[in-house]
Amino acid sequence: GIQVEQSPPDLILQEGANSTLRCNFSDSVNNLQWFHQNPWGQLINLFYIPSGTKQNGRLSATTVATERYSLLYISSSQTTDSGVYFCAVAEGNQFYFGTGTSLTVIP
Amino acid sequence: EAQVTQNPRYLITVTGKKLTVTCSQNMNHEYMSWYRQDPGLGLRQIYYSMNVEVTDKGDVPEGYKVSRKEKRNFPLILESPSPNQTSLYFCASSLLAGGTDTQYFGPGTRLTVL
Repeated sequence: GIQVEQSPPDLILQEGANSTLRCNFSDSVNNLQWFHQNPWGQLINLFYIPSGTKQNGRLSATTVATERYSLLYISSSQTTDSGVYFCAVAEGNQFYFGTGTSLTVIP
Repeated sequence: EAQVTQNPRYLITVTGKKLTVTCSQNMNHEYMSWYRQDPGLGLRQIYYSMNVEVTDKGDVPEGYKVSRKEKRNFPLILESPSPNQTSLYFCASSLLAGGTDTQYFGPGTRLTVL
């Protein structure tokens, strides 16, 4: 199966700071997704981004499929951004998730 | 409201006692999936289903069974649970299979096997 690696594993930010999370994957895929798991455990899809760049408010994501990586940018972070961020890719109908980046935003 | 529901949300059981975790979606999605989440390991896919009566193994299917008799339901069955199946379980669904569509997750079921 596909190997998915995320970095950094943990991140602590002061409110208002910017951050970049990285996701590397081992094979060429065209279906990368980013998810946020809030402190209560709920998983929410942030982006479906097989290639290129998308923006949604303070969050944006870029995927360079030919180089097998994706980046998630969080600008002007808020305490509500805390939680774990996962990236995932699919090979056929099977999904592979990274181990996540745990983000803590302190006021 | 469009949603994926799971029941129960919390379950403590003993080794060997058969259990079923239900999953239901009201979005007419074709693709449904079960994951387990363990500390340091992220989410790992157990089973998935592309449509009614079509299921396939994910990365960690041992000790689990599934069925997809109706489009909206995708129960996860543990015939003889063991302590290594203590985990947080998520059901998810998407309109289409193939990873090209947004996955919607249920609230999770925390299972403890003693």
